[in-house]
Amino acid sequence: AQSVTQLDSQVPVFEEAPVELRCNYSSSVSVYLFWYVQYPNQGLQLLLKYLSGSTLVKGINGFEAEFNKSQTSFHLRKPSVHISDTAEYFCAVSGSGGSYIPTFGRGTSLIVHP
Amino acid sequence: DAGVIQSPRHEVTEMGQEVTLRCKLISGHNSLFWYRQTMMRGLELLIYFNNNVPIDDSGMPEDRFSAKMPNASFSTLKIQPSEPRDSAVYFCASSFFSGGAAGELFFGEGSRLTVL
Repeated sequence: AQSVTQLDSQVPVFEEAPVELRCNYSSSVSVYLFWYVQYPNQGLQLLLKYLSGSTLVKGINGFEAEFNKSQTSFHLRKPSVHISDTAEYFCAVSGSGGSYIPTFGRGTSLIVHP
Repeated sequence: DAGVIQSPRHEVTEMGQEVTLRCKLISGHNSLFWYRQTMMRGLELLIYFNNNVPIDDSGMPEDRFSAKMPNASFSTLKIQPSEPRDSAVYFCASSFFSGGAAGELFFGEGSRLTVL
């Protein structure tokens, strides 16, 4: 079985400040990892994904995430946030060994203040 | 290409009524997921289809819920009879899975259901 823990339910930050949204996972097989963003009244859309290769993954809107196998983490970062980044962010994991139904975390609400 | 299309976007109904939510997949995708999102429980997977066949329906809350995929591009989620606790946003997502490779999920914009 696999699971995802997003350690912060809400992260307030001022505009142009850096931000890190934390995600830890557990899985008995090799994993694929994803970050999705949900803007108000919209569906989720993919920010970035790790399937294999380089552990530093770059996504849309200036976000990046680093896969750390030893710490079973996949934290999302952005060096300078904008008001428009205010949204709900979901970390998800699926197993590359066949359990490919993704499991989502509870989400982290990023609130960017002017 | 059009994305995943869900209808209706909003539905307000009274307890006991039947509710049908609809989803059109992205052309070429072979997997379909129905999720329910609430503040209390977050994003819950209700059912997953692969190549029109239901693979995992362990998330369907009870017999009042049923989902079908009559063809490769269309799915329905039906609640009969509906109850106030079914109020939530229901998302449909599609993807293309092949040989165990995990694919990106493409979500619709959701159907917001309110049961009075």
